[in-house]
Amino acid sequence: EVQLIQSAGEVKMPGESLKISCTTSGYSFISYWIVWVRQMPGKGLESMGVIYPGDSDTRYSPSFQGQVTLSADKSLNTAYLQWTSLKASDSAIYYCARVEVAGVAHWGQGTLVTVSS
Amino acid sequence: EIVMTQSPATLSVSPGDRATLSCRASQSINSDLAWYQQKPGQAPRLLIYGASTRATGIPARFSGSGSATEFTLTITSPQSEDLAVYYCQQYKNWPLLTFGGGTKVEIK
Repeated sequence: EVQLIQSAGEVKMPGESLKISCTTSGYSFISYWIVWVRQMPGKGLESMGVIYPGDSDTRYSPSFQGQVTLSADKSLNTAYLQWTSLKASDSAIYYCARVEVAGVAHWGQGTLVTVSS
Repeated sequence: EIVMTQSPATLSVSPGDRATLSCRASQSINSDLAWYQQKPGQAPRLLIYGASTRATGIPARFSGSGSATEFTLTITSPQSEDLAVYYCQQYKNWPLLTFGGGTKVEIK
């Protein structure tokens, strides 16, 4: 069974750094792209970028270029999303998901990030 | 960047009615379009890919159509459990993906 299990929710202060994780199982981690998706409170889905764990090829959506960093650890079958300096506007639910040839069929449960002073 | 626009923002339907949701792409994406359902408090679920192919386990009352820049998701005889927000997504620029803004379906 394909599973993507995300790290627990976080409460941070503005300016702090953060790294959240997405641990996968049930398939070959290095063979599929992983996408990270942001959902701000009461808003829609935004694709942030994708990473191919096989060679760490990473592509960012224009709105997120330079704002976050995607990475992956093949030895742990885990993908990461990180910030160096959080802002209140980063408060959102973040989903990781496995990119198929057509669509996204397998999603993590989401990680709620709250940034507040 | 391909921009996806959905309409209407909210759709209120009675059980037994037909719900028609629209999605427009800013340029041709052939049939590289997927539809998702997101219920409150849940991750999205893939409904349709290739513009018209139902994903595994999706009921037949959900159907997709269209190509190029105009697409439609139809829910025939919506049920109460179909209350959700529905998103279209293009994958012509695979693996980069772009979502539409969503249509909230309310059941009267």
